[in-house]
Formats: sequence, C-alpha cells, structure tokens
Amino acid sequence: NAGVTQTPKFQVLKTGQSMTLQCAQDMNHEYMSWYRQDPGMGLRLIHYSVGAGITDQGEVPNGYNVSRSTTEDFPLRLLSAAPSQTSVYFCASSYSTSGRHEQFFGPGTRLTVL
Amino acid sequence: GESVGLHLPTLSVQEGDNSIINCAYSNSASDYFIWYKQESGKGPQFIIDIRSNMDKRQGQRVTVLLNKTVKHLSLQIAATQPGDSAVYFCAENGGYSSASKIIFGSGTRLSIRP
Repeated sequence: NAGVTQTPKFQVLKTGQSMTLQCAQDMNHEYMSWYRQDPGMGLRLIHYSVGAGITDQGEVPNGYNVSRSTTEDFPLRLLSAAPSQTSVYFCASSYSTSGRHEQFFGPGTRLTVL
Repeated sequence: GESVGLHLPTLSVQEGDNSIINCAYSNSASDYFIWYKQESGKGPQFIIDIRSNMDKRQGQRVTVLLNKTVKHLSLQIAATQPGDSAVYFCAENGGYSSASKIIFGSGTRLSIRP
C-alpha cells in the first residue's frame, strides 16, 4: 500500500491564481481530512469528509473548496490564492472502529503564495 | 524544507530519562483524545489515543493520562531515545461524532540530550 499520497510536494503561486492540491489513499478509509500547518503552529482543520459525496467545514474553511467523488480521492481547491494561504498542507485518511480513530497523514504540500 | 514548530515550547530531556508532555484542552464536550508525533519535514504520526471513559492507557513505552476534571492530558515516554526527538501534538474530537473532525492542540518540541 502507498498509504496517503499528496501532489505536488512543493508549489509557488502568485496572488489570485487558483490550483488544486491532490490527495489519494489506497486503504479504503471512509474518512479524509485536510489540515494546514503554519510555522510555529499546530494543524488546523480546513475541510473533512465522512464518505464519498459527503463533506463538511472545519476550523478554517474560507478560501478553500473540496469534493469527494470517490473513496480514494479528496482534492483541495484554492479558489484565489492569497499570501495568507502560504502554509504546509496535510491530507489525512482514517478509519473508525470501536470508537477509536487512527489517522494516517500524507507527506504534505508546501505552498508559497507570492 | 520549511521549518515548523519554530516557536513551540521545548522540553529537553536526558537520554534514558522519562519524558512527560502536557496538554490542556478547553472543550468539555471532547470525549476522545489522541497524541501525535511529528518529525521534521513529515506529517504527524498517530502514537496513542484514549477515550473519556478511561483515565490511563498504555502502549509500547508510552502512557497517556487523562484528567477530565481539570481538562488535562499528558503523554509519558519511558526511557527516552534519540529517535523520540520530534514535536508532539495532542488532539481532541470536540465531542463530535464524526471521526474526521479531529482538532489539534498546541505542540511541544521534545529535545534529547546525549
């Protein structure tokens, strides 16, 4: 299993540009999430999904869209990039059993917005 | 690569000693808690979890203690090794039934002295 994969690893955008960060998992997990991590900070939840076709907002959803058309993929779209969106973005997938919940994280995408 | 955790509190421990990392949470509705380890340049890695109906849970060299009265969580690492150097985050579910809505708390950088 490849686990959780994210592309690209690095990206530089200009203010106002749009792009999609890709996330895929091959573990057949129901749940997927997107987080951002700024320097010196913890991870903040952007959007999450509890299954194909179902998504919801996290702590910091503004400026981002998601969709979940398949179990495997959960892309994150930046609509109009702003310097405040410079961050490291992590995707996670997880399963839940007996009230326990183990998340597996991808390697991250390092995004710089100029 | 991008550095994270530049301004996080740091705990310095002698190799072989036990480490205790603390975390306070504010949401009294939270009933599920997780500790993650994040090494430089990588995504977080699940270490251990605990549900609110427990006070203590042990894993391999790690123990999590939960004090619901004062909303405090701690991670104890026995016989700390150089490979334990990382940033450690606590996370909670905020009482949400959705297993995806895991919210991260502040982190602590663990530094090991030889």
